Amino acid sequence: DQQVKQNSPSLSVQEGRISILNCDYTNSMFDYFLWYKKYPAEGPTFLISISSIKDKNEDGRFTVFLNKSAKHLSLHIVPSQPGDSAVYFCAVHLGNQFYFGTGTSLTVIP
Amino acid sequence: NAGVTQTPKFQVLKTGQSMTLQCAQDMNHEYMSWYRQDPGMGLRLIHYSVGAGITDQGEVPNGYNVSRSTTEDFPLRLLSAAPSQTSVYFCASSLPGATGDGYTFGSGTRLTVV
Repeated sequence: DQQVKQNSPSLSVQEGRISILNCDYTNSMFDYFLWYKKYPAEGPTFLISISSIKDKNEDGRFTVFLNKSAKHLSLHIVPSQPGDSAVYFCAVHLGNQFYFGTGTSLTVIP
Repeated sequence: NAGVTQTPKFQVLKTGQSMTLQCAQDMNHEYMSWYRQDPGMGLRLIHYSVGAGITDQGEVPNGYNVSRSTTEDFPLRLLSAAPSQTSVYFCASSLPGATGDGYTFGSGTRLTVV
């Protein structure tokens, strides 16, 4: 069973607009939620995280929202820039393990 | 540069061959893991280690062996390669309890089994 689902394989957004990436999870015991960014031929890099006791965390243009009742995580990028074009993975943490979603490929159109 | 180093970057194997994917980190991270990335499947955990001498299985451990004799190194062994093991493999490391920062990943090994 997949612990984490990203139902949108791809997303295209105009430069300057908002990008919203979504993630759903199954286990209410997860204690940390993270977003990673991955460029082709590189490893994923950590972007932003949020603990289960919060519902929002901001870091510059990136904001992560956590809706525990809906078991839903989202990443907002405002404003979107062409350099944001990448694959974004959400991840959840429990015990000694991180579980990753299938990824959403974001394309920001200049 | 500090970080996670994976070798080789690319490898082609014949079915039944064996090989070891190398992973080394110089950040004194106790936690290390191996993931594979397949289209439409995301990153799936193969094996992980919480310290030297301690390893455990992840979601997809079959066909892979690991050992952790030092803090720095965490090699992944394929004893008899199969086409289903064609994938991109990522090694990752972190400090214990660094859940808010997640892992530092290597740049990956692209493996093709023919």
